[in-house]
Amino acid sequence: DGGITQSPKYLFRKEGQNVTLSCEQNLNHDAMYWYRQDPGQGLRLIYYSQIVNDFQKGDIAEGYSVSREKKESFPLTVTSAQKNPTAFYLCASSIDLDGGLKTQYFGPGTRLLVL
Amino acid sequence: AQSVTQPDIHITVSEGASLELRCNYSYGATPYLFWYVQSPGQGLQLLLKYFSGDTLVQGIKGFEAEFKRSQSSFNLRKPSVHWSDAAEYFCAVGGLMKTSYDKVIFGPGTSLSVIP
Repeated sequence: DGGITQSPKYLFRKEGQNVTLSCEQNLNHDAMYWYRQDPGQGLRLIYYSQIVNDFQKGDIAEGYSVSREKKESFPLTVTSAQKNPTAFYLCASSIDLDGGLKTQYFGPGTRLLVL
Repeated sequence: AQSVTQPDIHITVSEGASLELRCNYSYGATPYLFWYVQSPGQGLQLLLKYFSGDTLVQGIKGFEAEFKRSQSSFNLRKPSVHWSDAAEYFCAVGGLMKTSYDKVIFGPGTSLSVIP
């Protein structure tokens, strides 16, 4: 079955530590995205990538980094510079259908907690 | 500025009752519109989308939504709610940038509770 996988489901970070969240898709989608979700808020875009070896900052990129070395993978690193990392992180990918509309499909999410 | 509002933070309905979740957007042209549903601790699942054509859109799980340009609204409806519909619902607006990347803006969500 095609889909988007995220791992781990739960991740604990110690102060000053960098952690990496995995996102893999086998949908052959070109574009991938990372969102952060906080309670009572909508999704906020962290980074996005439209093609391999290219990515752009979203609205809240500070304290995060990404790479896109393979079409199917888009890992997110939460660095020690991110002072409030506790949140639910969602990865998405999209395909260009319907005359340019890029419908996004989401993974199951990773919950990051700070120890 | 482009924005999406969902006026109802939380709604409670009885099982079998009808449902309408409101969504309003601010944008200067016809946007692309989406409704997603999120169960606790899960990712978002696409319910339906609108980008052109018939303004009444049918989605999965018995949901439908109607685009009303004059009211800048895209309300989600279901004629008879099931207990399994209890979840968070997000309205989203896309196609807001004239570039190859169509930025999607999500509303804050409406939490739906269903009383047996």
